[in-house]
Amino acid sequence: GAGVSQSPSNKVTEKGKDVELRCDPISGHTALYWYRQSLGQGLEFLIYFQGNSAPDKSGLPSDRFSAERTGGSVSTLTIQRTQQEDSAVYLCASSDSTASFNQPQHFGDGTRLSIL
Amino acid sequence: DQQVKQNSPSLSVQEGRISILNCDYTNSMFDYFLWYKKYPAEGPTFLISISSIKDKNEDGRFTVFLNKSAKHLSLHIVPSQPGDSAVYFCAASGFYNQGGKLIFGQGTELSVKP
Repeated sequence: GAGVSQSPSNKVTEKGKDVELRCDPISGHTALYWYRQSLGQGLEFLIYFQGNSAPDKSGLPSDRFSAERTGGSVSTLTIQRTQQEDSAVYLCASSDSTASFNQPQHFGDGTRLSIL
Repeated sequence: DQQVKQNSPSLSVQEGRISILNCDYTNSMFDYFLWYKKYPAEGPTFLISISSIKDKNEDGRFTVFLNKSAKHLSLHIVPSQPGDSAVYFCAASGFYNQGGKLIFGQGTELSVKP
C-alpha cells in the first residue's frame, strides 16, 4: 500500500527486555515523526526526523529510548530495558515537508506494546 | 501544562444533524491546526486543517472554524452520518516548533445515532 506501514502491529514482552519498532513512511516523505498514546491519553510527541537527522528529540521520555532513520526512509524506535509504564500504542507519521512545515502528517496504524 | 484541550470527552448526535466538536489552545505561537479522526485499532486519519491566516476552511461535510482571539477552533460536520462515529483529535503546531511536531488534545468520542 501507499500509506505508512508499522511493524509489528502488536508486541508483548517481559519487563527488562529490549524492543524494536519499525516504521516505513510514505515514499518520498522527508519528515518522519514518532508519537505514543498511553491508555486514555492523547498522542504524545517523541521524536522528529528530517531525512536521517533528528533535530528534535525532546519528547523521548528517558535514555532508554532511541531512534534512527536510514536512507531517508525506514525508521526504528528502540526501547531498552522495558518498564511497565512503556506500555502504549506507538504511532509513526510522515509528511512531505519539502514545500513547508505546514503539511498534514499521515499516520500508520501503530504498534501496540504491552510490557508484562 | 496542556496546551491543547478538548473539554468534552464525548458527544452524541442524531443522524442528519450537525456535530460540533470544540478545541481550545493556550499557545499563541501555534499557526497550523488540524483535525484527525480515529477508529479503534487504527491510526489517526487526517480530516481537515487550517492555517492561522484563515478563519474558516471547508471540505465537503467538514468545516473548521478558527477564532484566534479566543484561541478556539471547532469542527462542524453536516450532516452527521453513523460512519462518522469515532474519536476526533484536534492538533496544533507552530513555526517555532522545529519540524512542525503536533500537540494533540485528549480527543472527543463522537457517536452518531441512526
